[in-house]
This record gives sequence, C-alpha cells and structure tokens, in this order.
Amino acid sequence: QVQLVQSGAEVKKPGASVKVSCKASGYTFTSYYMHWVRQAPGQGLEWMGIINPSGGSTSYAQKFQGRVTMTRDTSTSTVYMELSSLRSEDTAVYYCAREAVDYWGQGTLVTVSS
Amino acid sequence: DIVMTQTPLSSPVTLGQPASISCRSSQSLVHSDGNTYLSWLQQRPGQPPRLLIYKISNRFSGVPDRFSGSGAGTDFTLKISRVEAEDVGVYYCTQATQFPHWTFGQGTKVEIK
Repeated sequence: QVQLVQSGAEVKKPGASVKVSCKASGYTFTSYYMHWVRQAPGQGLEWMGIINPSGGSTSYAQKFQGRVTMTRDTSTSTVYMELSSLRSEDTAVYYCAREAVDYWGQGTLVTVSS
Repeated sequence: DIVMTQTPLSSPVTLGQPASISCRSSQSLVHSDGNTYLSWLQQRPGQPPRLLIYKISNRFSGVPDRFSGSGAGTDFTLKISRVEAEDVGVYYCTQATQFPHWTFGQGTKVEIK
C-alpha cells in the first residue's frame, strides 16, 4: 500500500533552516510528482511547491521562491523540503502529498521560536 | 494564479441532513486535454487531509457514496447527502489545471448543530 512517512517534529530558532523528509513506499517513486503543503495553526492549506522525483525538477510558489529547496534521493525513495531564514510565521505542520493529492504524509510540525 | 473561493466558510448541519459546499475558481478549470482537475479534500480534526473527489465527480477509493461532486467551468459543488458524525471537519477544494501550480480554497468547516 502507498505510504508517505515524514520525519519528526522540529524546533528551530528564527533565522535558522529546517529540512523535512518524506519517505515513499508502495509505488514507483519516480512515476509521481510530490507536493509540499503547509498548514499554520488553525489555518488552511498552503501549497509550497512540487518536485518531479524522476528528474529532480521543481516548481515553487512565488511566496517561497528563494527560501525553499526541494530535493530527492531516488536510492531511498525520499523527498526533502528545506526552508531557510525561518521566522515565527513559518510555524506550521508541513505535509508531503503525492501528485494527485491522493496520498499524504502524516505531517511534520515545525516550530520557530526564540 | 487561479484563486479558489469557497462558500460558506462554516456550515452547521443536523445529523442525517444534507450539506452543500460551493467552490468558485477565478478562471475556467477546463484543461487543454479536456479534463477539469478539480478535487475535494476532507480534513478531520488532528489528521492530514484525505482525497474525497477528483476530476469534479469521481469518488476516490473507499469514499462513501453519500459524498458527491458536480459542476463545470468555474463553479463546483460538494454535497453530503446525509451528514454523519464522522463527517465533521474542514473541506477544501483544490485545482490542478494550472499544474504544476496548485491552489486550495480557504476551507469550509462542517460541524454538527
């Protein structure tokens, strides 16, 4: 069965970076794009960007351009999302989701606090 | 970017009664391939979102048939024929016509009266 398993919660200081992982299993990793979506406390879903695990190409929401980097490791079927220059407003649950948003990771809480 | 606007933002419903959520896009979601990539997600409290409906009206695997989707062009609707307690949560419409850029609606909270 398709599973997306994300890394654990993180606490970071303002200005730092965070790297969240999402390990895929149960399907051919390189056949489906992967999204990253975040959700601030009590707020809605916000699309951050997408990566093609096959070639590694990416497309980011304009809001995150210059601060987000999405990468993948085909040997471990894992995608990564790194967000830099963290500020308190980046406190959120970060999700990976397969191409058609048909499968989601469990979410990773990133807390940015001094 | 395509803007998705949902109404209402909150929907108190009596158990066993129907519920309806509207979603309007700022431009047509008809793709050049003829498909309309409009999906609906459900997010129960404390859980990740879950796909309910894709391409306007197709129920995803395991989704009860009390959920149905309809619409065309820029106007879409999610209906729950008879609301059950497990349907409490927030519902989002989302578009993939502008792939690779996705957008979500603001979400509609369904709660029991």
